[in-house]
Amino acid sequence: AQRVTQPEKLLSVFKGAPVELKCNYSYSGSPELFWYVQYSRQRLQLLLRHISRESIKGFTADLNKGETSFHLKKPFAQEEDSAMYYCALLTGGGNKLTFGTGTQLKVEL
Amino acid sequence: DAGITQSPRYKITETGRQVTLMCHQTWSHSYMFWYRQDLGHGLRLIYYSAAADITDKGEVPDGYVVSRSKTENFPLTLESATRSQTSVYFCALKDSLSTDTQYFGPGTRLTVL
Repeated sequence: AQRVTQPEKLLSVFKGAPVELKCNYSYSGSPELFWYVQYSRQRLQLLLRHISRESIKGFTADLNKGETSFHLKKPFAQEEDSAMYYCALLTGGGNKLTFGTGTQLKVEL
Repeated sequence: DAGITQSPRYKITETGRQVTLMCHQTWSHSYMFWYRQDLGHGLRLIYYSAAADITDKGEVPDGYVVSRSKTENFPLTLESATRSQTSVYFCALKDSLSTDTQYFGPGTRLTVL
């Protein structure tokens, strides 16, 4: 069965420091992975997806099939990056998302 | 984002009562989903629908019922609410032509006393 693991419940960094949010997955098929972000009391928003290889708000993520990882990175954290981040794996013929348990990122001044 | 709404936004009910949460879209996206969000569990899929009159179970369907008589509405009913169903419920949409992106509603915070 598919599984997404985000080992850190809370990650606290100082403004300007690099950020890495970890995500590992387990899936027998070809993975399609996403990062969603949820700012305080707001709806989930798509941050980025691995197939588009884009950089959104300075965040990037590279799919590493050998390590089954899709870590989210940003070189310099900003205060507005404070939010809950969810890694998600697309399964079920492209119709289901399996989410990790989320990592709360707190950027301190 | 304004194309997907959920009502009510907040609901307090008692154990054993029936509760219906509504999800409405102003678009005509085929796929609609219900998730619950809980600390330590992230988001878990309850039910989803590929089109009107087509629904299927997700990861945690027990205690929930859905229907989709119209494309634009996807109500989620708790037939006899339990305290363990206290959660934040999110509805999401996906276009059948899109291979990936799901758009989420604002959520409904449900408390079962």
